[in-house]
Amino acid sequence: QKEVEQNSGPLSVPEGAIASLNCTYSDRGSQSFFWYRQYSGKSPELIMFIYSNGDKEDGRFTAQLNKASQYVSLLIRDSQPSDSATYLCAVIDNAGNNRKLIWGLGTSLAVNP
Amino acid sequence: DGGITQSPKYLFRKEGQNVTLSCEQNLNHDAMYWYRQDPGQGLRLIYYSQIVNDFQKGDIAEGYSVSREKKESFPLTVTSAQKNPTAFYLCASRGGGDTQYFGPGTRLTVL
Repeated sequence: QKEVEQNSGPLSVPEGAIASLNCTYSDRGSQSFFWYRQYSGKSPELIMFIYSNGDKEDGRFTAQLNKASQYVSLLIRDSQPSDSATYLCAVIDNAGNNRKLIWGLGTSLAVNP
Repeated sequence: DGGITQSPKYLFRKEGQNVTLSCEQNLNHDAMYWYRQDPGQGLRLIYYSQIVNDFQKGDIAEGYSVSREKKESFPLTVTSAQKNPTAFYLCASRGGGDTQYFGPGTRLTVL
């Protein structure tokens, strides 16, 4: 059973701090990794995707991928109260050609003013 | 405006009733997905379709049915065989790089 694991939280950080969200995955052959943000009662929205080892930056967000350790993280710099949400990690299932995503359960983030 | 629409936003079902949830996209995406989300749980795949006139069961297909007659549309029917249908239903389509984009969701409640 392929799995994506995230710490459920809640992760609580003060406004202006760096929030670090972590995700591990079991399928060593996975090639594509995604971070989504989901506000309470709303649908998930894509924040970032990453395919290559290393860092990828987009504004206040940085995704970090380490395929050898099967680990992907999301850093949020200068955290704002509006960043308070659940963050979902998803990984492509490489079995066959179905291109399905395997989802983590999400980490709840609370940014305190 | 390109995007994915789902209707209705809220739906109430009586015991023994079939209901159909609508999902439409104008992104010209071939692949579409239906997920179910329960409180405190992750996204669970119900059905997916990679191309018109073709679809496959996901992890929790029992009690659900779909059709894919048009590229833009992927409706989901929740049948009376689904014993615990109260949940948040999310439709998504797949764009470049395997990225999935979601509609706003339908919240289904059994009365």
